[in-house]
Amino acid sequence: NAGVMQNPRHLVRRRGQEARLRCSPMKGHSHVYWYRQLPEEGLKFMVYLQKENIIDESGMPKERFSAEFPKEGPSILRIQQVVRGDSAAYFCASSDRGPNQPQHFGDGTRLSIL
Amino acid sequence: GQQLNQSPQSMFIQEGEDVSMNCTSSSIFNTWLWYKQDPGEGPVLLIALYKAGELTSNGRLTAQFGITRKDSFLNISASIPSDVGIYFCAGLTYSGGYQKVTFGTGTKLQVIP
Repeated sequence: NAGVMQNPRHLVRRRGQEARLRCSPMKGHSHVYWYRQLPEEGLKFMVYLQKENIIDESGMPKERFSAEFPKEGPSILRIQQVVRGDSAAYFCASSDRGPNQPQHFGDGTRLSIL
Repeated sequence: GQQLNQSPQSMFIQEGEDVSMNCTSSSIFNTWLWYKQDPGEGPVLLIALYKAGELTSNGRLTAQFGITRKDSFLNISASIPSDVGIYFCAGLTYSGGYQKVTFGTGTKLQVIP
C-alpha cells in the first residue's frame, strides 16, 4: 500500500463529535475514492473526487457526511455529529487520470464511536 | 451500488492445494482487477487484466479476463499460509472522462497448515 497515506489509523470519537479522516493520494494521482467497510463485509463505495470536484457521491449519506479534495492538501472525509453506526473502517484509494487506471488503497482509518 | 457476484464466499483449504475463485456480472467491463486484503490493512492490487481473453500470471497467481467481458477468475497454485485473507475482484468501466469501479463481495480464504 506504499503511496496512499491515510491518517489517523485509528480514531475514537464520542457520539455527537466530528470525525475528520485524511487521505493523501499516490504521487501524481488526481482521482480519489472513499470506501467504507464493516467487519467481515465488502467495500462500499462512498464518493469519488477529482481535484476541487466531486464526480460521484452516490454512495455517501446525504446528511452529516461530506468530502473534499482541495487544490492543495489531502482529501478529507468529514463526519459530523457521529453516531454509533458510523463505526467502521474507512478506506481511501487513488488512481491516475484516464481509462482503466487501477485504484491503489491506503491502510484505512478505523473509526470507533463511544 | 451494484456489486459483482463473487464465489465462493469463503473456503478452507489444505496448504499446498490449488484455489480457484471467480466473479460474474450482468454488465460488461473494460478492465478486471484482483485485490487481496490482509486483516487490518487495505486491499493490495494483485493482478490487472485489460483485454477479453487475457491470461496473466503473478507468481503463483493466475487470472483471466472472460471472453464475454462479464467474468473473471483467479487461481492460486500450491497455497501457503500467507495466502490467508480476503480476495476481491473489481470491474472498471469508463465513460464521460471518468471511471466507475464495481467491487465483488469478496472470497475469504483460510489455509490449514
